[in-house]
Amino acid sequence: AQTIHQWPVAEIKAVGSPLSLGCTIKGKSSPNLYWYWQATGGTLQQLFYSITVGQVESVVQLNLSASRPKDDQFILSTEKLLLSHSGFYLCAWSLGDWYYEQYFGPGTRLTVL
Amino acid sequence: GQQVQQSPASLVLQEGENAELQCNFSSTATQLQWFYQSPGGSLVSLLSNPSGTKHTGRLTSTTVTKERRSSLHISSSQTTDSGTYLCAIDRANAYKVIFGKGTHLHVLP
Repeated sequence: AQTIHQWPVAEIKAVGSPLSLGCTIKGKSSPNLYWYWQATGGTLQQLFYSITVGQVESVVQLNLSASRPKDDQFILSTEKLLLSHSGFYLCAWSLGDWYYEQYFGPGTRLTVL
Repeated sequence: GQQVQQSPASLVLQEGENAELQCNFSSTATQLQWFYQSPGGSLVSLLSNPSGTKHTGRLTSTTVTKERRSSLHISSSQTTDSGTYLCAIDRANAYKVIFGKGTHLHVLP
């Protein structure tokens, strides 16, 4: 069975500090991977997607970057956090493009102070 | 750009009542999906329905692509249905997605 893990579960960070959020998918080879972000009470926004290892496409610019160092791993990061980065980060995978169902991870709640 | 509007913004029902949620979008979409977001934030795909009518369990979705609208009908609501229902379409790119703000459903016992 496929499983998707996100780490950490929650994080409290200071403005200006670096951030690294991770996502791992087990049990599925060569999935498409996605990062989403949702401000508290806000609309879910797609940030990045990746079709293959080493290739990441940006959808919304939020002073964040993403990388896919392995087939089953997707990393979201920034060198300097802003207050506006607070929110809920979700990772998802699918077998193909958007036409196929997306499966979401449990999410990471980030608070920037 | 493409926009997704959902209505109503919130809905309160007594257990056993039916719910009708609406999703309108500003331009043609090749794919439309309905999601459920729990109060804790986790997201689950409910139905993929770019056109026509689809059923799964107590859920029925009807999408009229020409009129750029979709509905999600929940029959015999249960307290466990409480949460946020999100509609999402593609951004004219098979890998890009835009979500609506959602309908917050609260089912009372």
